[in-house]
Amino acid sequence: DGGITQSPKYLFRKEGQNVTLSCEQNLNHDAMYWYRQDPGQGLRLIYYSQIVNDFQKGDIAEGYSVSREKKESFPLTVTSAQKNPTAFYLCASIGDRNRGGNTIYFGEGSWLTVV
Amino acid sequence: AQSVTQLDSHVSVSEGTPVLLRCNYSSSYSPSLFWYVQHPNKGLQLLLKYTSAATLVKGINGFEAEFKKSETSFHLTKPSAHMSDAAEYFCVVSDLDNAGNMLTFGGGTRLMVKP
Repeated sequence: DGGITQSPKYLFRKEGQNVTLSCEQNLNHDAMYWYRQDPGQGLRLIYYSQIVNDFQKGDIAEGYSVSREKKESFPLTVTSAQKNPTAFYLCASIGDRNRGGNTIYFGEGSWLTVV
Repeated sequence: AQSVTQLDSHVSVSEGTPVLLRCNYSSSYSPSLFWYVQHPNKGLQLLLKYTSAATLVKGINGFEAEFKKSETSFHLTKPSAHMSDAAEYFCVVSDLDNAGNMLTFGGGTRLMVKP
């Protein structure tokens, strides 16, 4: 079955460390997204990519980095420059509407805690 | 550019009474619209979606939404609230920009159901 997989589900990071969250999809989707959610808050866009080898900053990109070397993969690195990284991170993808794709797929999310 | 506004950050209803969660959007193209629900410490679950077919969309768990282009609205309703409906609800717009599909989330509405 096609889907989107995020890992790890739970991650602890020491202050000053970089960590990378994985997001993989086998849906042949062009567009992929990373969101951050803080307790009791909505979803805020970190980065998005609409095609391989290209990505754009979202509303809260500072302290994060991404890459899109393959269509299937859109990893997010939370760098030491991110001052308050403890949050729930959600990856999403959506197909090309011009080719009939119109369903959003979400990963199960990753809980990152700084210790 | 597209945007999504969920008009109420919190809605409180009594069990057995109707639910109305409001969503307004702006879009320069022909959008697809979605409602997602998020229970505490869980990922996002699709309730329903509108993709230019019937304007009244029925979803899971008795929810439905009506797409009103003239009002640029996509309000979510349910005739009778259940305790298990207490959760966070997100309205999402998918539209096309120059590069492809673009997702925009509303800020979320927290639904509380009183016994």
